[in-house]
Amino acid sequence: DSGVTQTPKHLITATGQRVTLRCSPRSGDLSVYWYQQSLDQGLQFLIQYYNGEERAKGNILERFSAQQFPDLHSELNLSSLELGDSALYFCASSVWDYTGELFFGEGSRLTVL
Amino acid sequence: AQKVTQAQTEISVVEKEDVTLDCVYETRDTTYYLFWYKQPPSGELVFLIRRNSFDEQNEISGRYSWNFQKSTSSFNFTITASQVVDSAVYFCALSDLTGGFKTIFGAGTRLFVKA
Repeated sequence: DSGVTQTPKHLITATGQRVTLRCSPRSGDLSVYWYQQSLDQGLQFLIQYYNGEERAKGNILERFSAQQFPDLHSELNLSSLELGDSALYFCASSVWDYTGELFFGEGSRLTVL
Repeated sequence: AQKVTQAQTEISVVEKEDVTLDCVYETRDTTYYLFWYKQPPSGELVFLIRRNSFDEQNEISGRYSWNFQKSTSSFNFTITASQVVDSAVYFCALSDLTGGFKTIFGAGTRLFVKA
């Protein structure tokens, strides 16, 4: 158990819909990262927050947004969903920003029909 | 540019064989961090090792060893006497300041260890 909690574990929805994925980092970790892993694909970096502030951004679609709240949990919002958004979305946390190892949650598997 | 290349898509070995997973990275920074992660069939991602750019000392942990060579920008991972439980996807990753604090991952190498 990494200590990172992601909900929901599985989500099935239709095209055009909007979903919210939630992540609670390990106790004491200030950084939260979001990654997308499509079928047989590597991990694509989406966005990183450090202590409530956006720190780094990857190739995150404009339809996607995220935030980190004062209690350090984070949410990833995906809107106007398309079939291609079906993927495993991982949240990870670390104590520092870019220097430390990442601790990953179990992922949220999103299926868009 | 910040980039991690894992040229080996899949490797298949027989149990007890040694296997090396290659990782080549690109960065403009002099300070950076390299990582290896394991993703077993169950799907979770597990941290294996971190190495900073100033520490080229090779590391051994049980059957695992890592060879970091700045001259060739490589950070290779060797499993000695592989076991079926080593079957997984292994990711090499890099983080640096120029990359804007983000940790990027290579495409991964899928390792099959057959009994």
